[in-house]
Amino acid sequence: QKEVEQDPGPLSVPEGAIVSLNCTYSNSAFQYFMWYRQYSRKGPELLMYTYSSGNKEDGRFTAQVDKSSKYISLFIRDSQPSDSATYLCAIWGYQKVTFGIGTKLQVIP
Amino acid sequence: KAGVTQTPRYLIKTRGQQVTLSCSPISGHRSVSWYQQTPGQGLQFLFEYFSETQRNKGNFPGRFSGRQFSNSRSEMNVSTLELGDSALYLCASSPGTDSYEQYFGPGTRLTVT
Repeated sequence: QKEVEQDPGPLSVPEGAIVSLNCTYSNSAFQYFMWYRQYSRKGPELLMYTYSSGNKEDGRFTAQVDKSSKYISLFIRDSQPSDSATYLCAIWGYQKVTFGIGTKLQVIP
Repeated sequence: KAGVTQTPRYLIKTRGQQVTLSCSPISGHRSVSWYQQTPGQGLQFLFEYFSETQRNKGNFPGRFSGRQFSNSRSEMNVSTLELGDSALYLCASSPGTDSYEQYFGPGTRLTVT
């Protein structure tokens, strides 16, 4: 079993839709939870990070962590074509970051 | 502040050769991590350096090595290249002692023929 599981997609949604991206993890000792966005031929870009269970908002993005279920989510409201990218969840623990495989998102105008 | 820079951006090497990749972190960041990214495996952690010391290492063979200099710049070296080493190599720097907040460079695309 991988430490971090993420559906690779692809996921296609119409412009304006709410997007839900999810990951599960296996080790309850993991401490920080991050989401990255990666455009084609670019390095990943840190979107958000959080430590505790609950929600954290930043503009159209909401990160949600449920430590009891070992489940993390990223919601994108009012999705735009410019949101088309691969989204990677990442979890920090034992002095290293472990990444999910990434979900490829396409927002169709 | 300037972002993380990596050189070269693209590289083509032959099996059996060796290669050195360079990474300059964001000014003031002391932690540098290296990753290999491939379509099938995603981002795989190679190693992390903090204040010139390797603090953690992933599950890669000894052909993969790295180092960090006193100015926090880092290099990684791959010796005896194999076809399977073809990948995007990414460097990330972190501002704090704990490296959860990582900022990535654009990567070096290595092709081994």
